[in-house]
Amino acid sequence: EPEVTQTPSHQVTQMGQEVILRCVPISNHLYFYWYRQILGQKVEFLVSFYNNEISEKSEIFDDQFSVERPDGSNFTLKIRSTKLEDSAMYFCASSEGRGQTYEQYFGPGTRLTVT
Amino acid sequence: QKEVEQNSGPLSVPEGAIASLNCTYSDRGSQSFFWYRQYSGKSPELIMFIYSNGDKEDGRFTAQLNKASQYVSLLIRDSQPSDSATYLCGVGGYNKLIFGAGTRLAVHP
Repeated sequence: EPEVTQTPSHQVTQMGQEVILRCVPISNHLYFYWYRQILGQKVEFLVSFYNNEISEKSEIFDDQFSVERPDGSNFTLKIRSTKLEDSAMYFCASSEGRGQTYEQYFGPGTRLTVT
Repeated sequence: QKEVEQNSGPLSVPEGAIASLNCTYSDRGSQSFFWYRQYSGKSPELIMFIYSNGDKEDGRFTAQLNKASQYVSLLIRDSQPSDSATYLCGVGGYNKLIFGAGTRLAVHP
């Protein structure tokens, strides 16, 4: 069964460093998303991406964040200068995005630890 | 501020019983409603979705939606210890989902 994959599973970085989190969405899906979950807290929406551009973003998704679809399969989240409070699980999700099909399927996540 | 509210639990039910999980949301324009199961340290797993008022059944799971009351629920019949997890209610549309904090379900033998 097709699934969303994410790499790396765990990333440790120092404050101020840039990180890139990678995702491969399900192949025939058109909508891609990033969410994050700080330990013990709720899953929070960051950004959605459709037709090679940002569709919607939250207040969390400030100028330090960017997303890109560099090729036909990968979808990346870049954090330019990491802060301690960026430590969280980052989940990529994708949705078929056709007709009434809105179901979002999540990848296994990348645990980002900023020291 | 668009919000999704869930009781944090834990909701404790005996094995074989029906577990009832509830969710309310603030945005009347919401189009789609999802229930995800999240085991500790894992990612959310989609278990049910519902778009129209009424009930939708899939195996042991039934989702119920009442848009007038802005209320979504999930019933789990014949609860099993493997159902013990946090259940997330997600509300939104094609662009994003807003999640509640989740209800922790504990099914005891």
